[in-house]
Amino acid sequence: GAVVSQHPSRVICKSGTSVKIECRSLDFQATTMFWYRQFPKQSLMLMATSNEGSKATYEQGVEKDKFLINHASLTLSTLTVTSAHPEDSSFYICSALSGGASHEQYFGPGTRLTVT
Amino acid sequence: AQSVTQLDSQVPVFEEAPVELRCNYSSSVSVYLFWYVQYPNQGLQLLLKYLSGSTLVKGINGFEAEFNKSQTSFHLRKPSVHISDTAEYFCAVSDTGTASKLTFGTGTRLQVTL
Repeated sequence: GAVVSQHPSRVICKSGTSVKIECRSLDFQATTMFWYRQFPKQSLMLMATSNEGSKATYEQGVEKDKFLINHASLTLSTLTVTSAHPEDSSFYICSALSGGASHEQYFGPGTRLTVT
Repeated sequence: AQSVTQLDSQVPVFEEAPVELRCNYSSSVSVYLFWYVQYPNQGLQLLLKYLSGSTLVKGINGFEAEFNKSQTSFHLRKPSVHISDTAEYFCAVSDTGTASKLTFGTGTRLQVTL
């Protein structure tokens, strides 16, 4: 099946700094990628939809100036957490939407962000 | 808008026993339905999906699910579980119009023991 990678898998940063997370579709092109956030023992919450070559669409309650999304190519989307605070600590997961009629999202392995 | 309810937060079961993980959804439009599995500190892996056609869907690792439109359910079943099936299972729905944005349930922790 299709493979989606995320980098880094884990990151620890100090409060006030910014962190960039990369999401790559390794063997297919994805015009649409999604960013999710998952709190411990909870479900995935969609943060934003990333479309190649256009601005991301953010879900209600997600600060677009804090969570910057860039989808500059058909295989790469990045999420930058700006001025991170401890409450931003979470598991961030991306997915890439395959084309055609399968309507299937392929998920990355996730990035564990810890803000100290 | 859609919503997904997974009533069971945890399901303990002995190895080789059958299991059913329940999922109910709510939507005013037609939906696609999915089951994903998540192992610790990993992303999600698709087990199976219902898009159209036969209401009984077979997936990977011996799992299957049945779409019941009248009961708005999509329960996941496996006739004989293994220790390796221990994981978090998420039911998800998307509407057939956008066919992309997923709404997830809160997940069910399947714990298989000897």
